[in-house]
Amino acid sequence: AIQMTQSPSSLSASVGDRVTITCRASQGIRNDLGWYQQKPGKAPKLLIYVASSLQSGVPSRFSGSGSGTDFTLTISSVQPEDFATYYCLQDYNYPYTFGQGTKLEIK
Amino acid sequence: EVQLVQSGAEVKKSGESLKISCKGSGYSFTNYWIGWVRQMPGKGLEWMGIIYPGDSDTKYSPSFQGQVTFSADKSISTAYLQWSSLKASDTAMYYCARLLKYSTNDAFDIWGQGTMVTVSS
Repeated sequence: AIQMTQSPSSLSASVGDRVTITCRASQGIRNDLGWYQQKPGKAPKLLIYVASSLQSGVPSRFSGSGSGTDFTLTISSVQPEDFATYYCLQDYNYPYTFGQGTKLEIK
Repeated sequence: EVQLVQSGAEVKKSGESLKISCKGSGYSFTNYWIGWVRQMPGKGLEWMGIIYPGDSDTKYSPSFQGQVTFSADKSISTAYLQWSSLKASDTAMYYCARLLKYSTNDAFDIWGQGTMVTVSS
């Protein structure tokens, strides 16, 4: 199975900061990657699909980039509601696999 | 409104069987794969597999193959996740999610609210 490694595992940021989260695949996965946000006690929410396409209704401060093995999720100006855990998910081949998650905390 | 509604929390004993459900509404249930995702307490998300309600085709993660069974009843737009003999290590939140296909790519665009399964030994 393809292994997805996220970094960092956690990070602290202030409101207004620019934040970048990285996801690395153990082999090339073209652009077959999505990003999900999960808040405590809630189901995950799709933010980005096909590596860089913004899901409908998601604020434009979220963006994704990358292809092959290296991908990034960027929040251009972190807002209070963005403090959550973020996961990448590769959909290149079965079994699809999630990264281990990155927890974004308030500094 | 497109939504997935899951069955309520369960408390079971080791060795018991269990079937939890995920009911879709607001869209053509038979035309979209449904996935199952496990989240153990305080841990990350794990992709268990998917089922296509139209023909009950399934894809299991090797980690879950033989441990659980996916099924679907398209007449009532409901997918199921089943265990024949629960273990304490099955204690987790289980989410169902709709798999949306974008050309050659997939993404889980609609999620259920989750079903908490607690198994005591």
